[in-house]
Amino acid sequence: AQSVTQLDSHVSVSEGTPVLLRCNYSSSYSPSLFWYVQHPNKGLQLLLKYTSAATLVKGINGFEAEFKKSETSFHLTKPSAHMSDAAEYFCVVSDMGGYNKLIFGAGTRLAVHP
Amino acid sequence: DAGVIQSPRHEVTEMGQEVTLRCKPISGHDYLFWYRQTMMRGLELLIYFNNNVPIDDSGMPEDRFSAKMPNASFSTLKIQPSEPRDSAVYFCASRSWTGPTDTQYFGPGTRLTVL
Repeated sequence: AQSVTQLDSHVSVSEGTPVLLRCNYSSSYSPSLFWYVQHPNKGLQLLLKYTSAATLVKGINGFEAEFKKSETSFHLTKPSAHMSDAAEYFCVVSDMGGYNKLIFGAGTRLAVHP
Repeated sequence: DAGVIQSPRHEVTEMGQEVTLRCKPISGHDYLFWYRQTMMRGLELLIYFNNNVPIDDSGMPEDRFSAKMPNASFSTLKIQPSEPRDSAVYFCASRSWTGPTDTQYFGPGTRLTVL
């Protein structure tokens, strides 16, 4: 069965410092992996997706994620946090066996302090 | 492109009442998904349609929930009768078939409160 585990429910950083949101996945097939962001009272927006073409994936707003098969990880990073990055972030897996279904992690709430 | 449209954005109702949530997918998309988001269970897939046909409704919690897609541009999720535990944010998403990693586009959600 496919699953994702987001290792931190809350992350707090200062503006201008790096962001690291951690995600581990479990999949029986070659996974497709995504990061979505949800700003307060908004829908979910795709940040980036892993398509197996490259292990380092660049997304919108300066975010990137690295797929590490040996560690079954897909951590999200950003070199310098901005106040507008404060939101909830979801790591998502969808695999070849059932890729109509997205399986969401529990979410990580990112707080950015001035 | 208007994106996925959901209505209403907020709904407050009393226990036992019928609730209907509406979704208009992105034009040309042939998949439509309904999700529910709660604090306890996170984001869960309820049901999805392909070309207006329900494919997998295994996530629908019970018979009080029903979903329809009468045409390619409209879907409803109905709860009858509603209960306080149905209070959640309900999202609709759509996508087109462009490969195994194609993206689901989410609407803004409907926040349902059942008193």
